[in-house]
Amino acid sequence: GESVGLHLPTLSVQEGDNSIINCAYSNSASDYFIWYKQESGKGPQFIIDIRSNMDKRQGQRVTVLLNKTVKHLSLQIAATQPGDSAVYFCAENIGSNYKLTFGKGTLLTVNP
Amino acid sequence: NAGVTQTPKFQVLKTGQSMTLQCAQDMNHEYMSWYRQDPGMGLRLIHYSVGAGITDQGEVPNGYNVSRSTTEDFPLRLLSAAPSQTSVYFCASRILAGGNQETQYFGPGTRLLVL
Repeated sequence: GESVGLHLPTLSVQEGDNSIINCAYSNSASDYFIWYKQESGKGPQFIIDIRSNMDKRQGQRVTVLLNKTVKHLSLQIAATQPGDSAVYFCAENIGSNYKLTFGKGTLLTVNP
Repeated sequence: NAGVTQTPKFQVLKTGQSMTLQCAQDMNHEYMSWYRQDPGMGLRLIHYSVGAGITDQGEVPNGYNVSRSTTEDFPLRLLSAAPSQTSVYFCASRILAGGNQETQYFGPGTRLLVL
């Protein structure tokens, strides 16, 4: 079946740098995408979402970009901080939002 | 509000044993769901419910049963545990209307080891 995947399983950045986490999806019918952050020993936490009728959405220090042509999603974190160290998951949904399909996750490590 | 609570936090079972993972939320959310998370993989949906008395299968339902007798509780039952069910289990809940995932809350997880 179709699934959501990530280009890079790990990402290491210096504190203060910008981070970019990528995600590829293969289901062209997906119309809603979410980024989650999961810290060690905790459940996932919502970061930002975007619908397929948009190509960019900004939050506090985070931006999600959606390129439907190449089925690519990215999460940009500005001025990365040690507290941003976590695993980041993208997830996709079609239609009713009852079923989310998660990617495998990217481990972001922020070095002081 | 306590949010989404899960018990137990950790459990060891022998193959063939049964148990129930508890999940409760006090936010009056209609939608509740169970996921499992395995090393190197994202969360996979096991079962979900859109309201009391209504449940449906997710991506990996085999070996698991659920029921939703009240809005608050959504227990996950393993009738005969297998080593392949060793995983971390997360319960989540959110409001149903509007389809906004921003209001979905995850519990702290239950770590299950099946020997």
